[in-house]
Amino acid sequence: DTAVSQTPKYLVTQMGNDKSIKCEQNLGHDTMYWYKQDSKKFLKIMFSYNNKELIINETVPNRFSPKSPDKAHLNLHINSLELGDSAVYFCASSHHRTPRGNSPLHFGNGTRLTVT
Amino acid sequence: SQELEQSPQSLIVQEGKNLTINCTSSKTLYGLYWYKQKYGEGLIFLMMLQKGGEEKSHEKITAKLDEKKQQSSLHITASQPSHAGIYLCGADGNNDMRFGAGTRLTVKP
Repeated sequence: DTAVSQTPKYLVTQMGNDKSIKCEQNLGHDTMYWYKQDSKKFLKIMFSYNNKELIINETVPNRFSPKSPDKAHLNLHINSLELGDSAVYFCASSHHRTPRGNSPLHFGNGTRLTVT
Repeated sequence: SQELEQSPQSLIVQEGKNLTINCTSSKTLYGLYWYKQKYGEGLIFLMMLQKGGEEKSHEKITAKLDEKKQQSSLHITASQPSHAGIYLCGADGNNDMRFGAGTRLTVKP
């Protein structure tokens, strides 16, 4: 009964390939996120979707494209993978938040992407 | 954008000792969240603080929010090996949550 689940857990691929990471939440949340955690464990927001609409798109290369078929799913597709894309990617969800939001984020267990 | 500074970056304590982790914001804090991360796992939500002076506890972990100083502290009493991990503070950004760089806690048995 995992609340936020993402697959795969590990992803090893070569430079130039295209890959996808899937995320699903069963918490009834209407906002979902993708975060990237680098080797120094710094967690950085990439995208945020509210009810299937993109509301945050940080400075992320165009090679990264999120897709939200419904509000319970937010997948991340990455084209032309580069060495620097190696990191742990976390999916999260929450109730709708505002700048004074009071809803914590619930995280998946992460996908460790290694680009060789 | 919100900047959160955590201190210390890492901490090694003997089992049974108390410890404190601090989180300081460069901007006004409306909500402050504490998470714990174990290796290979996601972030586990510990607690949320919203009002100045608010204090919450979860088992042996207590967190406080000093709104005026834009700071929060996380205190662990009588630490155990199960407390080991990375503790991250998060704060409300614009429709998202921003995080500090984390504090890596090691508890020696």
